[in-house]
Amino acid sequence: EAGVAQSPRYKIIEKRQSVAFWCNPISGHATLYWYQQILGQGPKLLIQFQNNGVVDDSQLPKDRFSAERLKGVDSTLKIQPAKLEDSAVYLCASSLVAGGPHEQFFGPGTRLTVL
Amino acid sequence: DQQVKQNSPSLSVQEGRISILNCDYTNSMFDYFLWYKKYPAEGPTFLISISSIKDKNEDGRFTVFLNKSAKHLSLHIVPSQPGDSAVYFCGVFSGGYNKLIFGAGTRLAVHP
Repeated sequence: EAGVAQSPRYKIIEKRQSVAFWCNPISGHATLYWYQQILGQGPKLLIQFQNNGVVDDSQLPKDRFSAERLKGVDSTLKIQPAKLEDSAVYLCASSLVAGGPHEQFFGPGTRLTVL
Repeated sequence: DQQVKQNSPSLSVQEGRISILNCDYTNSMFDYFLWYKKYPAEGPTFLISISSIKDKNEDGRFTVFLNKSAKHLSLHIVPSQPGDSAVYFCGVFSGGYNKLIFGAGTRLAVHP
């Protein structure tokens, strides 16, 4: 079974620029998550989708971050404009079952560097 | 405020010995606990979990212990192998939050 795919793997931009990340979850997984992992910290949930609806976006900085999951499959996360503190690894994960502490499958992440 | 703490950023263990990774949490409402392992340039992968109704769960070389009164859980790896060298994240979940909250991770190095 193919894992969670993410692209690009690395991105370097200057502050105030825009950037977008793409995620393709495991086929059939209804729930999709975007996490931000800052160096030296654990992953922090930014947004959770159930199919193409948002379940939780309480920690998403909505003034600059946006995310969508069209047709309940692929998802994109956008940052506009980027700040220095957005430098982090952005992880996408998916799970088969909605809700509950079910195993989440993570992609390799996108490492973002904002200069 | 940190709801999940892994106070040891790193741990070095000799091959064949026991590795013990610790995690403390603050909220007694958390009812499910998970450990994830992460290799460089890869995403975290699920390792083992335990629900709050148990105090021990074992899977091969990996055992997780839960002490609810102390709000503490630990992961034991016996015997440790060089391939276990990775960053280990403790994660906690509650139905009320409906999301996984991770600690900062502990980097384990198993040397021959």
